Amino acid sequence: GNSVTQMEGPVTLSEEAFLTINCTYTATGYPSLFWYVQYPGEGLQLLLKATKADDKGSNKGFEATYRKETTSFHLEKGSVQVSDSAVYFCALSDRNRDDKIIFGKGTRLHILP
Amino acid sequence: DAGVIQSPRHEVTEMGQEVTLRCKPISGHNSLFWYRQTMMRGLELLIYFNNNVPIDDSGMPEDRFSAKMPNASFSTLKIQPSEPRDSAVYFCASSLREKAYEQYFGPGTRLTVT
Repeated sequence: GNSVTQMEGPVTLSEEAFLTINCTYTATGYPSLFWYVQYPGEGLQLLLKATKADDKGSNKGFEATYRKETTSFHLEKGSVQVSDSAVYFCALSDRNRDDKIIFGKGTRLHILP
Repeated sequence: DAGVIQSPRHEVTEMGQEVTLRCKPISGHNSLFWYRQTMMRGLELLIYFNNNVPIDDSGMPEDRFSAKMPNASFSTLKIQPSEPRDSAVYFCASSLREKAYEQYFGPGTRLTVT
């Protein structure tokens, strides 16, 4: 079945550092890929998405590229801020199957001032 | 505009009691999802509805859990009887069915069963 694997956290970085959170997926069809973010005490919210191979999703300085050849969708940001501290979830969905989103286990990010 | 509304935000109850969690989705959304989040198991989909009809309840842990959506603006998740292992944060999310990947999550209900 479909699944998502992302790097375990926590990840701790200093402000203005470069961020990469790795994510790989397994899917039998042609899924769409997403990153969701959960700030402390809140529900998840969609950060960015990519619906086909080689698409790049971007939002709030974050980027991720849909790499079919490596089945990856790594999240990157060039210069993180303290306000980026949150839990990040990689996810996929396959509308040809159902309306479910398959979430990874989440990666907690701490940014130090 | 109001997002997804969940109540209560916190619930503490004793083992064996009935617990009812409530959700009001975003107006106009026609898909609704119930999730459970724990440190050990992460985020789990319990059940989802399209146009008020339950589509997939394969994630519901056992018969103690039930969910209803009597109309487009209200859903409940009930646990009867509750057990300590049900302690978790329960999220409701809604979306437009044609954009089911863009789910809007409520703030969650933190349930503690003692």
